Amino acid sequence: LPVLTQPPSASAFLGASIKLTCTLSSEHSTYTIEWYQQRPGRSPQYIMKIKSDGSHTKGDGIPDRFMGSSSGADRYLTLSNLQSDDEAEYHCGESHTIDGQVGYVFGTGTKVTVL
Amino acid sequence: EVQLVESGGGLVQPGGSLRLSCAASGFTFSSHWMHWVRQAPGMGLVWVSRINTDGSTTHYADSVRGRFTISRDNAKNTLYLQMNNLRAEDTAVYYCARQGIGEAGYFDHWGQGTLVTVSS
Repeated sequence: LPVLTQPPSASAFLGASIKLTCTLSSEHSTYTIEWYQQRPGRSPQYIMKIKSDGSHTKGDGIPDRFMGSSSGADRYLTLSNLQSDDEAEYHCGESHTIDGQVGYVFGTGTKVTVL
Repeated sequence: EVQLVESGGGLVQPGGSLRLSCAASGFTFSSHWMHWVRQAPGMGLVWVSRINTDGSTTHYADSVRGRFTISRDNAKNTLYLQMNNLRAEDTAVYYCARQGIGEAGYFDHWGQGTLVTVSS
């Protein structure tokens, strides 16, 4: 099964930028992943999909200061001009079909703190 | 506006059963694959199950296969999750999520979740 690795936490000052990383297991390095934001006590919200070539598709209402990119097995979510509202857990995930079985795997999430 | 509203959660004893519902509105429910995703307290997201548009094809995570059954009623715009033989490790908030179409996000809309607690 694919494995997605995320650092448990990250922080940056209000107005600064922060780059979150989701690393795919090496044998799955070409997979497309999605990013989701989950504010405290809320349900997740879709942010964007990122392909291996770095192209990305955002969800409705996602601001321009949220950008996606890719390098090898790493998929990045960069938040610019960080706002207090960005303080949340960020999850990456990917879908796969193995031996005819469909599944979806999430990373363990990165908690973002805005200083 | 797309809305997904879960219900049916609660406290149940180990070995018991519970049926979750997810009422969908604001979109053509019968055109979308639908999923259940759960989140144990303080933990990450875990995919549980998926169902295709007409309910003929279902998939499950290994941890719930044989105990949980996903189904849908397109006439009622409702998704279900029948959970049997519940265990303490099934304790979680259960979200229903819509699968997007084409280049849309995989889980492009989520419900607010319903809490299931398995405890004696």
